[in-house]
Amino acid sequence: GESVGLHLPTLSVQEGDNSIINCAYSNSASDYFIWYKQESGKGPQFIIDIRSNMDKRQGQRVTVLLNKTVKHLSLQIAATQPGDSAVYFCAEKEDFTGNQFYFGTGTSLTVIP
Amino acid sequence: DAGVTQSPTHLIKTRGQHVTLRCSPISGHKSVSWYQQVLGQGPQFIFQYYEKEERGRGNFPDRFSARQFPNYSSELNVNALLLGDSALYLCASRAGMTGGPEAFFGQGTRLTVV
Repeated sequence: GESVGLHLPTLSVQEGDNSIINCAYSNSASDYFIWYKQESGKGPQFIIDIRSNMDKRQGQRVTVLLNKTVKHLSLQIAATQPGDSAVYFCAEKEDFTGNQFYFGTGTSLTVIP
Repeated sequence: DAGVTQSPTHLIKTRGQHVTLRCSPISGHKSVSWYQQVLGQGPQFIFQYYEKEERGRGNFPDRFSARQFPNYSSELNVNALLLGDSALYLCASRAGMTGGPEAFFGQGTRLTVV
């Protein structure tokens, strides 16, 4: 399978601060990227996605940045809240129309009240 | 509206046994995908079924099989269980076969092999 990995396995931030979660991928042909949030005992929850023809996409309190030159993806969470505490995964696939996703290992985010 | 539902939520099996996991997709969704998530790792793609046919398969041995029924629910079967099969098994559904994210996951079935 493809190698999709994260720089840091754990991240602790103060409530109200911004969080940045990073992800490196190895397949230069990857065309589509997704961030998921997984809370304990639950399945992954879709947060935001981005296609390779974009370098930035914003959602509600979240921004995904894509740097294809260095094969790096990041998720920024603004004004982090205790409810943001979870494991965050990046996932990618080679083709937007494909059906096989490759997930990274995950970063555990802890928000300190 | 019911989301993706999986059963059972937990089960314990002995090495060498067989297990069947079940998934009901969101109403109207015709695609079901199965993922294995070992503790501390990200999910790994096992299968995708769409319109009752296998449409994709990850790097898993033949001990793993699945099927999809006319109502689009699905079963994942694992034969000759190994200790390494202990994991959270996730099911995801979507309306079409391809395109976009796996946006809807179930809560998973926690399988422990002893």
